[in-house]
Amino acid sequence: SQQGEEDPQALSIQEGENATMNCSYKTSINNLQWYRQNSGRGLVHLILIRSNEREKHSGRLRVTLDTSKKSSSLLITASRAADTASYFCATGSSGAGSYQLTFGKGTKLSVIP
Amino acid sequence: DAGVIQSPRHEVTEMGQEVTLRCKPISGHDYLFWYRQTMMRGLELLIYFNNNVPIDDSGMPEDRFSAKMPNASFSTLKIQPSEPRDSAVYFCASSLAVLAKNIQYFGAGTRLSVL
Repeated sequence: SQQGEEDPQALSIQEGENATMNCSYKTSINNLQWYRQNSGRGLVHLILIRSNEREKHSGRLRVTLDTSKKSSSLLITASRAADTASYFCATGSSGAGSYQLTFGKGTKLSVIP
Repeated sequence: DAGVIQSPRHEVTEMGQEVTLRCKPISGHDYLFWYRQTMMRGLELLIYFNNNVPIDDSGMPEDRFSAKMPNASFSTLKIQPSEPRDSAVYFCASSLAVLAKNIQYFGAGTRLSVL
């Protein structure tokens, strides 16, 4: 079964608004990552947050991690049409096999110009 | 670096035919992953290699699927015989195990259609 589950499955917003996507997972993790996938392309890494971190920023991206609730959120501020893509969370498990990632099914974000 | 290179980008074949997908990882990376993506099941890990050695192939759906990594710069995923339910986008990704970061770099994928 999928480790990470994103919510919502789809999100449509106007350009300039903020977009928030959530991810829940089930087991202990070493880190949590967010990836973006544009239509017809491969996934691209956006940001990584370690299990001992609570918040991380990268440009217009803000990621939070709550290990007690086994959840994470990705906030994109001041969205642009170019942000239209699917966003996936991926978890790296602690312990053996920690170099593999388990991906959720993604949130499809549409930013309307 | 050119990134992870996959070929072909698109493959259309008939049921029963053999299909071979190819991947060239980023030079110096020591992990290579094969994934399959469908609308229904999302992104599934099929198999991954570390230093050319298969580590976990529990995601390979059945014996019709096989993967090899003869050297650090090349891997193949073979389906023989192919079936319509194998239609999906297949991704290869590579990673470098350093500083406990397992960031993966994906190729553009191979879109497989089995008729």
